[in-house]
Amino acid sequence: DSGVTQTPKHLITATGQRVTLRCSPRSGDLSVYWYQQSLDQGLQFLIQYYNGEERAKGNILERFSAQQFPDLHSELNLSSLELGDSALYFCASSTSNGLKTQYFGPGTRLLVL
Amino acid sequence: AQTVTQSQPEMSVQEAETVTLSCTYDTSESDYYLFWYKQPPSRQMILVIRQEAYKQQNATENRFSVNFQKAAKSFSLKISDSQLGDAAMYFCAYRSPNSGNTPLVFGKGTRLSVIA
Repeated sequence: DSGVTQTPKHLITATGQRVTLRCSPRSGDLSVYWYQQSLDQGLQFLIQYYNGEERAKGNILERFSAQQFPDLHSELNLSSLELGDSALYFCASSTSNGLKTQYFGPGTRLLVL
Repeated sequence: AQTVTQSQPEMSVQEAETVTLSCTYDTSESDYYLFWYKQPPSRQMILVIRQEAYKQQNATENRFSVNFQKAAKSFSLKISDSQLGDAAMYFCAYRSPNSGNTPLVFGKGTRLSVIA
């Protein structure tokens, strides 16, 4: 168990809908990262937050947004969903010192029908 | 931008044997961090081993070790005494040394099968 929690584990929804994925980082970790793993694109970085502030953006679509709350949990919002958004979405958190190793949550499997 | 290449989409190894997974990367930075993650059928991403580029000594974690060749920009993973539980996807990842936390750049992965 990495200490990073993600909910829900599975999500099935229809095209055009909006969903929210939730992540709680390890105790003491200030950084949260969101990654998308799809069959053809591998693991792609979406967005990073550090202590409530957006720190870096990757290949995140405009239909997607995220935020990190004062208690450091983070939410990834996906809207106007398309079939191609079906993927495994990971949250990871890291420490603020040393190697800053990223520890991953179990992921949320999103299926858009 | 940094890139990570894993040239072996699939590998197989006999139980108790040794296997080496390859990873190369492209960067202009002199200091950075490298990682190997394992993704078993459960899809959980599990850290296997990590290496700081400024350290010449190769990292070792039990049956897992790396061969880090900085000049060649190569970071291979050696698994000794392979076990059935080692069967998984293995991802090589790079992280910049930025003082702030930076995201990982992943390779496409190598699927390892372990034959009993």
